[in-house]
Parts: sequence; C-alpha cells; structure tokens
Amino acid sequence: GAGVSQSPSNKVTEKGKDVELRCDPISGHTALYWYRQSLGQGLEFLIYFQGNSAPDKSGLPSDRFSAERTGGSVSTLTIQRTQQEDSAVYLCASSLRRAQPQHFGDGTRLSIL
Amino acid sequence: GENVEQHPSTLSVQEGDSAVIKCTYSDSASNYFPWYKQELGKGPQLIIDIRSNVGEKKDQRIAVTLNKTAKHFSLHITETQPEDSAVYFCAASATNKLIFGTGTLLAVQP
Repeated sequence: GAGVSQSPSNKVTEKGKDVELRCDPISGHTALYWYRQSLGQGLEFLIYFQGNSAPDKSGLPSDRFSAERTGGSVSTLTIQRTQQEDSAVYLCASSLRRAQPQHFGDGTRLSIL
Repeated sequence: GENVEQHPSTLSVQEGDSAVIKCTYSDSASNYFPWYKQELGKGPQLIIDIRSNVGEKKDQRIAVTLNKTAKHFSLHITETQPEDSAVYFCAASATNKLIFGTGTLLAVQP
C-alpha cells in the first residue's frame, strides 16, 4: 500500500526565504511526526500531532519553525527566514496511533544557499 | 536529557558472518525500542522493534535483545548478505518521540 509521501523531495532556496514542506501520512494513521536529519545533529524530533490534541512542539529549534496538520491528515512544516544551519533532510513519519511503530517517508532535502 | 549511544559507528563484515550493533539509553522510562535501516537517499525503514516487557525478539535473520537493568539493547544480524549494507539506527521512546542513536554504517563484503 501507499507509504508516507513527502514533497518536494529536494528544495534549494536562498537564505532569508520562507519554505513549506508537505507530508501525506499513511491513510488511517492518526499520529504524525516531523524529524530533522543533519550531519551534525543526527536524527532529531521536531513536532508530533495526535488527532485533535494539541501538538507536542517541544523539539522545534526556534520560533521560525512551525507546523500544522489540517483535517487530521496532511501536514506542512514551515520554516521562516531560512538560515544556512536549517540545511538538512526533513523527515515525516506516521503511526496508526500514539505509541505505535512509526513509518517514515523519504524526506525533503533542504539546501539553503 | 534523554540520550541514546550507539556503537560501533562503522562495521565491516564478510558475507555470511554475523553483525552486532549495541545501544545504551539514559531514560529509564523508555519502553519501546525500534531499529531502522536507512539506505542512501531513502527514509529510515523499520526492521524490528521490541517493547520493555520482552527480553528478546527474532524475525528470520534479525534479532533484538533488551536488558532493562543495564539499559542496553542490541541488534543481531546473522548470515549477512551484501543487501544488508546500509546505515542502521537504534531508537528509544518513553512518550511519543523517538530518541535516535547516531547510526552504524554496516558494510557487508561479498
């Protein structure tokens, strides 16, 4: 069946621009997660959505980062005023519900010039 | 804070040999321990997981062991094949988020 879908697969933008990354979770999965993978920091948690509950934003590195999940399905991660240190692969995962196995998409590779 | 240490960072084995990757976690509340395989340009793929009420789990050539007292868990791959070559990540979770180890680059030499 269809897995987690992320778009775009690659994004190159200039420092200071805003970017939006999209995630389509596996159908029927109520939990959705964003992680960031970079050479210096490894794989780090950013934000978690579960149904209609308030998201866990504890991993967002600064107030330039925000995410939303509309209609309990698609999610977008927005980075405002991008900086070079934002360059990384942004991974989305979904799980059937809380505390169930997480399944990842192939990520968006973000490069800030 | 929460931390997961993973060793070794690189591992080279001959085809047919076994490979073992070890992880240690710091948060005693952790109760879920998945292992992921990541190939170049792809997202992490879940290969096996274990919960804290079980000491060992096996799936064909892959097994995971958990020692809660020592806060250690390990991945064992037997009869390695060239297609097992990839980066492997351990992770631990006490709540919703996964805390990942730093990864092991496994190279299986034909």
